[in-house]
Amino acid sequence: QKEVEQDPGPLSVPEGAIVSLNCTYSNSAFQYFMWYRQYSRKGPELLMYTYSSGNKEDGRFTAQVDKSSKYISLFIRDSQPSDSATYLCAAGRAGNMLTFGGGTRLMVKP
Amino acid sequence: DTEVTQTPKHLVMGMTNKKSLKCEQHMGHRAMYWYKQKAKKPPELMFVYSYEKLSINESVPSRFSPECPNSSLLNLHLHALQPEDSALYLCASSPSESIGNEQFFGPGTRLTVL
Repeated sequence: QKEVEQDPGPLSVPEGAIVSLNCTYSNSAFQYFMWYRQYSRKGPELLMYTYSSGNKEDGRFTAQVDKSSKYISLFIRDSQPSDSATYLCAAGRAGNMLTFGGGTRLMVKP
Repeated sequence: DTEVTQTPKHLVMGMTNKKSLKCEQHMGHRAMYWYKQKAKKPPELMFVYSYEKLSINESVPSRFSPECPNSSLLNLHLHALQPEDSALYLCASSPSESIGNEQFFGPGTRLTVL
């Protein structure tokens, strides 16, 4: 079993929809969680960084961490075609490397 | 400046060539990383430098040789690569010596080995 699991998609939604991207993880020692957005043939861009459980909001993006169920979510409101990309979740703990999920490909259709 | 820069953007090399990839950051970060990413896969960690010292080598083949001349620069020297080494090579940096903190990635170098 991978330490961080993510549905590869693709996930196809119409423009303006609310998108929900999810990851599960197995290592209860993970303390911080990230979401990266990666456009085709580009480097990953850090979108959200969360330490421990809770919610964090930044513009149209909300990251949610539920450590009790080992569940990580990213919500995108009013999705745009420019949001079409692969979204990578990552989890880690101090002194150790990040563990990435496999990525979910999102397509937002005009 | 929250940018990690990488050069070159693209590189095509033969199996007998020697080349180097370069990475630079000016955010004052003390940890820098090399990752390899194949198509439709997440990044795979190759090397970590923390305070300019190699702290983790993920059993990467010796044909990849990292170098950290100073805290802002990271190089990856390539020699006698194989076609299966063709991939996107990503550099990243993170703020503190606590390895694994939020990492900022560069745009990558797309390497093709013929």
